[in-house]
This record gives sequence, C-alpha cells and structure tokens, in this order.
Amino acid sequence: DTEVTQTPKHLVMGMTNKKSLKCEQHMGHRAMYWYKQKAKKPPELMFVYSYEKLSINESVPSRFSPECPNSSLLNLHLHALQPEDSALYLCASSHPRQGSSEQYFGPGTRLTVT
Amino acid sequence: SQELEQSPQSLIVQEGKNLTINCTSSKTLYGLYWYKQKYGEGLIFLMMLQKGGEEKSHEKITAKLDEKKQQSSLHITASQPSHAGIYLCGADYGFGNEKLTFGTGTRLTIIP
Repeated sequence: DTEVTQTPKHLVMGMTNKKSLKCEQHMGHRAMYWYKQKAKKPPELMFVYSYEKLSINESVPSRFSPECPNSSLLNLHLHALQPEDSALYLCASSHPRQGSSEQYFGPGTRLTVT
Repeated sequence: SQELEQSPQSLIVQEGKNLTINCTSSKTLYGLYWYKQKYGEGLIFLMMLQKGGEEKSHEKITAKLDEKKQQSSLHITASQPSHAGIYLCGADYGFGNEKLTFGTGTRLTIIP
C-alpha cells in the first residue's frame, strides 16, 4: 500500500466555523507533512511531524492547529480562517532520517473559506 | 529572488517531440527531487538525485544533476499526452528529507 489518503476532498467553510482535515497512511512512514498550495504556486511547507512529534512549524498562524494522534494519522484543525486561507492542502509522508527519501503525497483537500 | 528556479515556466510541445525542463538552485543541493502534478491533485514522485553527475531514467523520462549539484534537468523523450501536467523540482538543502523547497513549476502541455 503506497497510498496517502485525505478527507474530505473538498471543503467549504465560513470564517467562524471549526473544521478538520484528515490524512492517513499505512506505509509505516514516521514523518508526516502538511503543505499549503495556492493556485499556480508551488506547495509551501506548513508543519512536519517526526515520530508523532512536531518537528517543524513554518510560522503558521495559530488558526491552523496540527495533530498527530498516532503514526498513521495526521489532522489539521481549522478555526476562524480567512478567505486568503483558501487553497489546496496537501498531506505527505516519508521515512524520516534515512538519508534522503521521497515524500508520498495525498490527493489534497480543496478548501474554500467564505 | 527564488532559491530554486525552474525554466521554462510553461511549455507546449507537439506529441512525439523531446523536451527539457531545467531547475537551478542558488545553493548547493544535498538532494533534488522531481515530482509531477496534475491540476488540483497531489504530487507524484518521479526521481531523486543526490550525487554530482548522477543520472536516472524511468520509462521515457531522464533526470540529471550537474557536478556542482546546483542544477538539474528533466528530459522527456518522444512525449505523450500522459506526460502533460506540472513538473516541480524539490530541493533538499541539508535538513534531510524533512524540509523540501519547491521550484516555481513548469506547466507542460502536449498537443496532438
């Protein structure tokens, strides 16, 4: 199984809503990532979890709250978002600290904030 | 300026023709990854290069990393409609694979 799954595929939320994005992998990877991608731009790293611990936070606003409940799951909790947060949110996973190894990406969640 | 530049930004190629996409880094690369993305979808891993002068091939796609480890090229031979998409290079600058910096992307269109 070389798949990273993400739910939901699409999400529309108001600025006062609370929602969560979910990501799951069963490849035994111990590093998991959240990226944000705006239209016609490359993905930008938001968070990295390594062995279920937050290892990188790229100065992301606190309205985005990541959570890694176990080695297979990664959540991104959303609260009080702004319209400019509308984007494609990508989850990825990889083997951490084994030289360099590729990141496997999920299909993404298309988020629209109204 | 961007750490990682790709050229061209977009490319329209007739089916069956060869093409090359370039990725240039302002700093020495520890590793260079090539990905392909269909619009609005996730990234698909193509190849990873680490050593200066390294070259890898998969089906009709060949990627090279120069000796100085600051430039990579992706070459597609006899392009097909299935090659259409956005090609992204991702740089590892020594944080291990946990932090990749992506290039600006090249949008490839294949015309019949």
